[in-house]
Amino acid sequence: NAGVTQTPKFQVLKTGQSMTLQCAQDMNHNSMYWYRQDPGMGLRLIYYSASEGTTDKGEVPNGYNVSRLNKREFSLRLESAAPSQTSVYFCASSRTSASTGELFFGEGSRLTVL
Amino acid sequence: AQKVTQAQTEISVVEKEDVTLDCVYETRDTTYYLFWYKQPPSGELVFLIRRNSFDEQNEISGRYSWNFQKSTSSFNFTITASQVVDSAVYFCALSDKTGANSKLTFGKGITLSVRP
Repeated sequence: NAGVTQTPKFQVLKTGQSMTLQCAQDMNHNSMYWYRQDPGMGLRLIYYSASEGTTDKGEVPNGYNVSRLNKREFSLRLESAAPSQTSVYFCASSRTSASTGELFFGEGSRLTVL
Repeated sequence: AQKVTQAQTEISVVEKEDVTLDCVYETRDTTYYLFWYKQPPSGELVFLIRRNSFDEQNEISGRYSWNFQKSTSSFNFTITASQVVDSAVYFCALSDKTGANSKLTFGKGITLSVRP
C-alpha cells in the first residue's frame, strides 16, 4: 500500500536552479495538495487541486507552479530556487475534499537552497 | 479569514502524566470542520480526528479524548496516561469551507515530549 509517494526525499539546489517535486497517489483521490513546513510556522498551503484539471493558489504560492498531470499525479515546480524556499515539502491527497475527509500525507521532501 | 492558534509551542511531561493540547480557532463560517494531526519523529503526518461544527459531543478513543466547545472556539486534545510513543508534533487544523474547494489551515503545532 504505497499511499502518497513523493520524490525526491532530499535535494540540495543552488540559488537560481529549477527543480520539480513529484507526487503520486494510488488511492483514486480527487483532491491533492502541496504544503511546506518551516520551523515555528506549521504547515502552509502552497497550491491545491480540487479535482483533475483544476489548480488553485493557497497561502504561499509565490515562486511555485504546479501541474495536475492526471488524477494520480500532482507536481510542484520551483522555476528559480531561492534560499527562502528551503523547507520540507509535503504532498497530500483526500478522497473528496479537505473538509469532508482526512488528508493522507507523503513522507515529505527536504529541500535546501544554497 | 481562518485562523488556528496553538499557543503552547513545547510541552514536556513524564510518562503516565495526563496532558492537554490547546487549540483555539477563528472562522466566520457556520459550517466548518476541525482536525488534529500527529507528526511523529519519522516525519509523516497522521490523521487523528475530524469533527464538524454541529457536533459538540466530546470524543474518546482509547487514551485520547477531544473537547470541542463552540462557545470558546476551542478544540482541545487530551492524552491520558501519556507514553513515550506519544512524543510528536501535534497540529490542529480548520477547514475554510465545505465543498470541493475546501482546504485546511493548520496551527503552528505543539511539540510534545514524553520522558520515561
